[in-house]
Amino acid sequence: KQEVTQIPAALSVPEGENLVLNCSFTDSAIYNLQWFRQDPGKGLTSLLLIQSSQREQTSGRLNASLDKSSGRSTLYIAASQPGDSATYLCAVGAKAAGNKLTFGGGTRVLVKP
Amino acid sequence: EPEVTQTPSHQVTQMGQEVILRCVPISNHLYFYWYRQILGQKVEFLVSFYNNEISEKSEIFDDQFSVERPDGSNFTLKIRSTKLEDSAMYFCASSEGHGVWQFFGPGTRLTVL
Repeated sequence: KQEVTQIPAALSVPEGENLVLNCSFTDSAIYNLQWFRQDPGKGLTSLLLIQSSQREQTSGRLNASLDKSSGRSTLYIAASQPGDSATYLCAVGAKAAGNKLTFGGGTRVLVKP
Repeated sequence: EPEVTQTPSHQVTQMGQEVILRCVPISNHLYFYWYRQILGQKVEFLVSFYNNEISEKSEIFDDQFSVERPDGSNFTLKIRSTKLEDSAMYFCASSEGHGVWQFFGPGTRLTVL
């Protein structure tokens, strides 16, 4: 059974600092990995998707890497801003027909002005 | 930009009552999902749906739950006899194909009293 863990659970940084968020998973037989942002009481906003054959994906200030063999992904957010304050979730997509996502518990980020 | 919509945003019901949560996926998407998030816990997969049938369901998705695509645009989740522990945020998601981005709706907060 796939287990996804995100450490740390919470992170506080001053504005301008780079953010490094970690995600680990137990079963390397994945189809893809998706990073989401969740604001309090809101839905999930898709940030990046990495297919299992890829090593990284970039979008603006966001960069996500994937090391499938070691069961790890890292989300980097460059030059953090107060608007980046949110909870960041990683989710691993299964190869099975349903392609269900298994989520980590999230990292709650606070960027202080 | 196309988005997944869900109604209602908040539903309050009495234990034992039936509820139907509604979703309108993105129009050209073929795969549909329901997830839920109990307050303070991880987002959990419930069910995936493709070609008018369930592709995969989790252990949570027992006989009390059902899904339906009654027309070309709506996707519904029915809980036949709600329990206190069904209180959660329910998210609908859709994707264009297998193993690609899953886009999430804003969620329906279900409160069972």
